[in-house]
Amino acid sequence: DTAVSQTPKYLVTQMGNDKSIKCEQNLGHDTMYWYKQDSKKFLKIMFSYNNKELIINETVPNRFSPKSPDKAHLNLHINSLELGDSAVYFCASSQGGRSEQYFGPGTRLTVT
Amino acid sequence: DAKTTQPNSMESNEEEPVHLPCNHSTISGTDYIHWYRQLPSQGPEYVIHGLTSNVNNRMASLAIAEDRKSSTLILHRATLRDAAVYYCILRDWSGGSNYKLTFGKGTLLTVNP
Repeated sequence: DTAVSQTPKYLVTQMGNDKSIKCEQNLGHDTMYWYKQDSKKFLKIMFSYNNKELIINETVPNRFSPKSPDKAHLNLHINSLELGDSAVYFCASSQGGRSEQYFGPGTRLTVT
Repeated sequence: DAKTTQPNSMESNEEEPVHLPCNHSTISGTDYIHWYRQLPSQGPEYVIHGLTSNVNNRMASLAIAEDRKSSTLILHRATLRDAAVYYCILRDWSGGSNYKLTFGKGTLLTVNP
């Protein structure tokens, strides 16, 4: 059983398009996250949701909008995609904000 | 978040112990030391964490200096599967929950067969 899953695994799209990445966790956790790993391999937090409430919004452009329909899902919608959005996006979850985080396999987004 | 310093890369031989160092000279009393690793083309994976005492789990051991200004992640017998980037992260647990991990550059561990 996959603990944290993301779809799609790969996403290739053109500049200006709108796309979504979905994340689901079956661990019963109440906190979910989105991280971005750029071409230089730096991993950085983007958003954190606890019980469907936004906890962290780390200076991310408002073209990025997370949506948490329930505690098990945290989707990431990106409007007007730009070349600089090309990266690997990781979803993660944890029980509360202090416990270890479980990461998904990542979604490689390529904007052409 | 307090800063950590790790070597960019280390090399080990299979079935030998590996000691991955981390310096955190500005650590505060409420900072926990966490280690995560990222295998190639995968998401990060929790390894271990501790506050003051040494910690052991099925994956690794964490040795924390008495002054807490440094720590060492110990893999007792490296396998090829342990080749990954290892991240040492400080998490401040004071004043409520800490909802993010702040990743540095980490140490790229190469394991030779």
